[in-house]
Formats: sequence, C-alpha cells, structure tokens
Amino acid sequence: GQQLNQSPQSMFIQEGEDVSMNCTSSSIFNTWLWYKQDPGEGPVLLIALYKAGELTSNGRLTAQFGITRKDSFLNISASIPSDVGIYFCAGQLQGAQKLVFGQGTRLTINP
Amino acid sequence: DGGITQSPKYLFRKEGQNVTLSCEQNLNHDAMYWYRQDPGQGLRLIYYSQIVNDFQKGDIAEGYSVSREKKESFPLTVTSAQKNPTAFYLCASSPFHLGGAQETQYFGPGTRLLVL
Repeated sequence: GQQLNQSPQSMFIQEGEDVSMNCTSSSIFNTWLWYKQDPGEGPVLLIALYKAGELTSNGRLTAQFGITRKDSFLNISASIPSDVGIYFCAGQLQGAQKLVFGQGTRLTINP
Repeated sequence: DGGITQSPKYLFRKEGQNVTLSCEQNLNHDAMYWYRQDPGQGLRLIYYSQIVNDFQKGDIAEGYSVSREKKESFPLTVTSAQKNPTAFYLCASSPFHLGGAQETQYFGPGTRLLVL
C-alpha cells in the first residue's frame, strides 16, 4: 500500500532543545494529521492540517502542510520530559477516505 | 465525557480460541476503524465501517471479523485463523465529512492481545 516516509526514526535530545520531524510521500494528500503515542496507550491527536501551506500551532508544537501537498513537518520547541513518546504522521490521500500512517519518530529526552 | 472506550485493556487467547475486542464511542461519529500495531511499527488497517450495517476490509483483514449493528459500537473478533494475533489493537472513529475530505480520526486507549 501507500507509504509515508517519516524521519528521523528516533531522536535523542537534551531537555530544552527544539525538535523537528517530517513526513514525505510521492503522492498528494488532502489532510495531514500528527499524533503522539505514549507506551501502552492510544495515539492522541496533536494537530490537524487541511490546506496546503497551512501552519498551525498547539502550544509548543507547530506543524505545516507542505505547499506541494506531498509533505508535512512537526516542530517542538523547548522540549520537556513529558514530550517523550512516539510521534506519528498520518495523511489522507486525495480521493481516498482512509489514512496512511508513517512509521513513527521515537523521541527520547535526556534531562 | 465524550470519547472512545476499548475493553478489555489486556486479553489472553488460548490456541484455537476466538476472542472479541470491544470498541464503543459516544462522539456520534459515523466511521469507525480497527488497526493493529506491532512493536516498533506503524498502524495497519484491519477493517473499517463508514455506516451502520456496512464495513470494508482493510489491508490485513484475514483472520479477523467485525460487525456494525449500532452506530456506537464496532466489535472486532480475532478468529483462530489468525495465526499471529499477539499485538496492540487500536480502535478509532471519525465524523462524516461531505465529499470525504478532512478525515480526522480519534483513537481509543487500545487492547493488548496476548496468546497463551
């Protein structure tokens, strides 16, 4: 099936650093979603993007819907210990209802 | 509180046994989904339903069955035909959008299935 390339696969950072991750594809998307998953829990929706070029913030998180509609990025500023977890991107392909998920970025923070 | 509930949190299956995972939502969402997550991997779609009494196979439907008799409920049965059922199972739901755009899915807390 369709794949989203999410990178990096893992990140090890110091508390207070900024974080950036992205998802890319060769296909065009109508919607980009970013989720965070804690161990043993379901993913929680962080940000939803519905228009090309859209830039949306949620506290220290900022995400953008790429102008080409083939990519999206998520930034986390001034990381704190509770940011630890796995971040997933998901996209809705043009003409489809189902979502396609990235493989996830595992974020680890050293205090 | 509005949300999605899944039960049980942990489920143990014996060889040759069918087990059913519950998913209920009170968000008045039209569409519901079941995903499987294996360690270190992303989510794979098992089945989905866009409306009551209708559902479609996802990417890995073999060995699973579902029903959608009520809008709020979308139970998943893991049958004995599923030879590698150990995984984390996630239910999700989304509201209907005319034209199918702006798909936004919300997830339940998950059920971990283990084989004895």
